Amino acid sequence: DTAVSQTPKYLVTQMGNDKSIKCEQNLGHDTMYWYKQDSKKFLKIMFSYNNKELIINETVPNRFSPKSPDKAHLNLHINSLELGDSAVYFCASSQDEPGWGSYEQYFGPGTRLTVT
Amino acid sequence: AQSVTQPDIHITVSEGASLELRCNYSYGATPYLFWYVQSPGQGLQLLLKYFSGDTLVQGIKGFEAEFKRSQSSFNLRKPSVHWSDAAEYFCAAPFSGGYNKLIFGAGTRLAVHP
Repeated sequence: DTAVSQTPKYLVTQMGNDKSIKCEQNLGHDTMYWYKQDSKKFLKIMFSYNNKELIINETVPNRFSPKSPDKAHLNLHINSLELGDSAVYFCASSQDEPGWGSYEQYFGPGTRLTVT
Repeated sequence: AQSVTQPDIHITVSEGASLELRCNYSYGATPYLFWYVQSPGQGLQLLLKYFSGDTLVQGIKGFEAEFKRSQSSFNLRKPSVHWSDAAEYFCAAPFSGGYNKLIFGAGTRLAVHP
């Protein structure tokens, strides 16, 4: 059973298009995240949702819009794609726990987005 | 500013040799520290974590890490590397401002020679 899944795994599209990436977790976790990994493998958090409520919104262009229809799903919609959006996007989840436990995150396999 | 530093961008070892990957953090209090591994084309998998107590922690795949407060380090070790250990390794620590946010190091790419 896949704990955190993402679709699609690969996404190739042209500049200016709009695309979505979907994420689902079956761990019963309360918090979900989107990360962007650039070509140098640097990981940066973009968004975080806790029980469908946005709690982290880093400095990300407003062309990126996350949506959480329920606790188990977090989607990422990207408008007007640009060349610089090419990256691997990871979804992750964690369980709310007292103390530091809620920082233990489980990652999906990633979506490699290529904008041409 | 809070940071997690992995000084080595790329390390190459021979199969069967020992391994140590370095991680340094800047944090006011005793942090909760993680090591993740990313195999080629895969997501990140948690190798081990440190919260408190014994400063030597054991993880999956034969890895261990030692927390040294005096050196602000949390180095990852393995006594005998296998070819399948070739991957990218990330050290991470919680953001001091909360929000369940992790700060990741830049990663160390491990190559294993046969």
